[in-house]
Amino acid sequence: RKEVEQDPGPFNVPEGATVAFNCTYSNSASQSFFWYRQDCRKEPKLLMSVYSSGNEDGRFTAQLNRASQYISLLIRDSKLSDSATYLCALIRSTDSWGKLQFGAGTQVVVTP
Amino acid sequence: EAGVTQFPSHSVIEKGQTVTLRCDPISGHDNLYWYRRVMGKEIKFLLHFVKESKQDESGMPNNRFLAERTGGTYSTLKVQPAELEDSGVYFCASSQDHRGSYEQYFGPGTRLTVT
Repeated sequence: RKEVEQDPGPFNVPEGATVAFNCTYSNSASQSFFWYRQDCRKEPKLLMSVYSSGNEDGRFTAQLNRASQYISLLIRDSKLSDSATYLCALIRSTDSWGKLQFGAGTQVVVTP
Repeated sequence: EAGVTQFPSHSVIEKGQTVTLRCDPISGHDNLYWYRRVMGKEIKFLLHFVKESKQDESGMPNNRFLAERTGGTYSTLKVQPAELEDSGVYFCASSQDHRGSYEQYFGPGTRLTVT
């Protein structure tokens, strides 16, 4: 079983709709969580850190559920420019504090 | 503010040759990381520098890979001799002092093809 698992998608979303997807992790020592977006053949760009209490940045909302060991990302009022692959990443408390563990990503396609 | 830069953007070499990748982190970032994405797989950690010191090199595949960060500024990653399985995209990332934030910012990557 992979340590960080994501539904690869694609999630096909009409423009203006809401889409949400999860990332599950297997190691309970995971302590810091992030969402990155990656456009085709580009570098990952940090979208947001995920805090225990949940956090929101504009149309994006991230949640952390430690009991069930998953994080989620919700995108409201989807824009065409939201089409990308969304990567979940985490740092384990047992690792050096810079070692990000990535999921393989969830592809989102926003359609007109 | 300039972001993380990497050179070259692409490199095609033959098996057995040597390639050196370079990364310039964001100015003032003490932490520099190397990651690799092999086709069809997730991004994997290679190593982490704090200034000029290797903090964690647990992800380095084998001794054909050598990373340096002389002077604590830019870093190089040398692959010698290259093998076919070394093909992939090599990303560099940097971050500030970890006490402030774990957030890492990635460079555009070097796409390495070993033939």
